[in-house]
Amino acid sequence: GAGVSQSPRYKVAKRGQDVALRCDPISGHVSLFWYQQALGQGPEFLTYFQNEAQLDKSGLPSDRFFAERPEGSVSTLKIQRTQQEDSAVYLCASSLGAALGEQYFGPGTRLTVT
Amino acid sequence: DQQVKQNSPSLSVQEGRISILNCDYTNSMFDYFLWYKKYPAEGPTFLISISSIKDKNEDGRFTVFLNKSAKHLSLHIVPSQPGDSAVYFCAAKDDKIIFGKGTRLHILP
Repeated sequence: GAGVSQSPRYKVAKRGQDVALRCDPISGHVSLFWYQQALGQGPEFLTYFQNEAQLDKSGLPSDRFFAERPEGSVSTLKIQRTQQEDSAVYLCASSLGAALGEQYFGPGTRLTVT
Repeated sequence: DQQVKQNSPSLSVQEGRISILNCDYTNSMFDYFLWYKKYPAEGPTFLISISSIKDKNEDGRFTVFLNKSAKHLSLHIVPSQPGDSAVYFCAAKDDKIIFGKGTRLHILP
């Protein structure tokens, strides 16, 4: 389909491992967002790209978290030296324009750190 | 401190009746509000939105009401259908989208 896709859907990592989560936004969408959703919580903003430019990374919880979107389409969220508190669902969303309007979400990647 | 609050973790409503989901916010700078619906193992899907210059927006069975003086918005679903059973997130925008914790709606047969 033409929706936002994320891979992998599930990831189990041992504490201390590095992980990389991929997001394929809807083709042509300018804006891309990453969110972290802990159990029983709503999605919490991590970072925002407009094309390849990372305009806001204020939500990244530590310097172990890094996101990139080098060609303005696919994005990768990387977490280094994973900790148990990183266990969550990581959601990617895209929107057509530059304004923070309606966002289309992917199914998420459920990360479990053991 | 939570800027967007959904104080009811869950709500059960008889099929065919009206479902009312409530949301309160603290930041008067929010200028746009959204409701998202989420099924298990799927990402949230956009339902309906409202600008802060309006007090009502309607789309089919879904109506969102905004009371700026009370910093309160609500989502009305009428009539409720079994497929409406899901988690509903209220969200508000200033320089980013901020979500509430969600309300799980159960539509009873």
